[in-house]
Amino acid sequence: NAGVTQTPKFRILKIGQSMTLQCTQDMNHNYMYWYRQDPGMGLKLIYYSVGAGITDKGEVPNGYNVSRSTTEDFPLRLELAAPSQTSVYFCASRPTGGGPQHFGDGTRLSIL
Amino acid sequence: GNSVTQMEGPVTLSEEAFLTINCTYTATGYPSLFWYVQYPGEGLQLLLKATKADDKGSNKGFEATYRKETTSFHLEKGSVQVSDSAVYFCALSEGNFNKFYFGSGTKLNVKP
Repeated sequence: NAGVTQTPKFRILKIGQSMTLQCTQDMNHNYMYWYRQDPGMGLKLIYYSVGAGITDKGEVPNGYNVSRSTTEDFPLRLELAAPSQTSVYFCASRPTGGGPQHFGDGTRLSIL
Repeated sequence: GNSVTQMEGPVTLSEEAFLTINCTYTATGYPSLFWYVQYPGEGLQLLLKATKADDKGSNKGFEATYRKETTSFHLEKGSVQVSDSAVYFCALSEGNFNKFYFGSGTKLNVKP
């Protein structure tokens, strides 16, 4: 019953560093999403994917990149970390045909 | 465009009190509506959903009715428990379910 797995759970970066947030799901879902949640705020969509090889921008894509080479994995890349990217990042997936999203437990990222 | 507005929190109630968390939405089409719950340190979990006008979603004693005429989806529970303490998010998805829009969340504190 793994569901959506995110790694790492916590990370501290220095300004200008890069890193990849990993997300994998074992439910064979075609749709996958990356959100960020700032303190006291709702979730903002960064990128989403409707299937392997297909990605699209959400509300706040600047400073991030994604790829979707397999159905299971949807990594999020930060190339030049900035303090404004300090947030909690959630990955989610859902099956084709509608229905709710399944969320990972999140990655708490601090950029100092 | 699409958006979701929730009442600001935190909401503090005594155990067995009646709960209402207001949610209104703006949508261009005919969205599906969701309530998610987030416990500390965890990702969001689906609480209930409604896919068309006048539908009532329910789960674990929580209910919400899709009101197209007032564009609302208020969350209610007749008798809250301490274990209901969490952050509650209202969300909508467009007809093709590619994107989800979340409210800012309402924190509920239930005191014994």
